Amino acid sequence: GQNIDQPTEMTATEGAIVQINCTYQTSGFNGLFWYQQHAGEAPTFLSYNVLDGLEEKGRFSSFLSRSKGYSYLLLKELQMKDSASYLCAVRGFSGGYNKLIFGAGTRLAVHP
Amino acid sequence: DGGITQSPKYLFRKEGQNVTLSCEQNLNHDAMYWYRQDPGQGLRLIYYSQIVNDFQKGDIAEGYSVSREKKESFPLTVTSAQKNPTAFYLCASSTGTGPEQYFGPGTRLTVT
Repeated sequence: GQNIDQPTEMTATEGAIVQINCTYQTSGFNGLFWYQQHAGEAPTFLSYNVLDGLEEKGRFSSFLSRSKGYSYLLLKELQMKDSASYLCAVRGFSGGYNKLIFGAGTRLAVHP
Repeated sequence: DGGITQSPKYLFRKEGQNVTLSCEQNLNHDAMYWYRQDPGQGLRLIYYSQIVNDFQKGDIAEGYSVSREKKESFPLTVTSAQKNPTAFYLCASSTGTGPEQYFGPGTRLTVT
């Protein structure tokens, strides 16, 4: 089957670093995405990994290990505006087409 | 500015009524998608369309219908057959070849 697991909630302090983990099981893996979603708003794209390793983009980095079915999103120098849900999504081949399977999201609260 | 628009942002309907949610994009994307988001759950795919005049059912298509008569537009009708229609509905689009999906701002539908 296809499944994505990520923690439901995390808290962190402004200025700190936080790592949000995601484990997945899927058939026909074709990439892993991280999206940020503020309450009541649309998800916005953060990162895409298709090969093993670390992708860095400013304060955000994402890591992928395909053999372990594991990814993490690393947020550095946390700001209050980083309080949001972070969605892990895996693109896999199922039912005859490529589709995104989303995890339930990790709600991050950044406090002063 | 290029982007995806969904209207209205909030929609209220009585049980037993059909309702149509609008989704328009001016990104010249071939592929469009409809997702449903419920509290504590990941986004679930309702329908998708890879090209004009063609669309396929996603994982939870029962009680929904779509049309794709124009490249820019992909309206979703929530019918009275949908047993639990109250949710946050998100429309997305992609080039069809690239991996990233871009999301609209969403429509929150409440059926009482």
